[in-house]
Amino acid sequence: AQSVTQLDSHVSVSEGTPVLLRCNYSSSYSPSLFWYVQHPNKGLQLLLKYTSAATLVKGINGFEAEFKKSETSFHLTKPSAHMSDAAEYFCVVSGVNQGGKLIFGQGTELSVKP
Amino acid sequence: GAVVSQHPSWVICKSGTSVKIECRSLDFQATTMFWYRQFPKQSLMLMATSNEGSKATYEQGVEKDKFLINHASLTLSTLTVTSAHPEDSSFYICSARGGKGAQPQHFGDGTRLSIL
Repeated sequence: AQSVTQLDSHVSVSEGTPVLLRCNYSSSYSPSLFWYVQHPNKGLQLLLKYTSAATLVKGINGFEAEFKKSETSFHLTKPSAHMSDAAEYFCVVSGVNQGGKLIFGQGTELSVKP
Repeated sequence: GAVVSQHPSWVICKSGTSVKIECRSLDFQATTMFWYRQFPKQSLMLMATSNEGSKATYEQGVEKDKFLINHASLTLSTLTVTSAHPEDSSFYICSARGGKGAQPQHFGDGTRLSIL
């Protein structure tokens, strides 16, 4: 079975400092992994995706994530946080042989202090 | 590209009425659409998966007679909450995916449903 664990329910950083949101996955197969962001009362926006090409994936708004098979991790990073980055972030794995279903982590709330 | 429009964004109605939520893919053909429910401060819970022209597949515990899903075209899916009650109040989000394989899902902005 596939699963996703986001290691922090809440992360707080100061504006201009680096962001690290941690995600570990479990999969018997080579997974497809995604990071989505959700602002209050909004749907989810795709930040980036990994689909077995380059292990370092660059996304929108300066975010990137590195797929590390040996550590079963897919952490999301950004060099410098902006106030507008404050939101809920979901690490997601695509279910194998499940018709494209997504398996969501529990989410990490990112707060950015001025 | 890959825009999904969900309507309405907010609806308040009386207990016992039925509410229809629309989900449209504006610039791509959505072979598969998904409906989720999200409780406050929680992750998304998949309710059902629908493929164009066929019956929706519901997740365990989701009442298919309560939550009617129609996917009549490659750009439109609807969710109807029948005889809604206060416990049905929630944030409902749709997503759409074109093609197969590892294509990402693209999400609508959600519908806040409040049943009085």
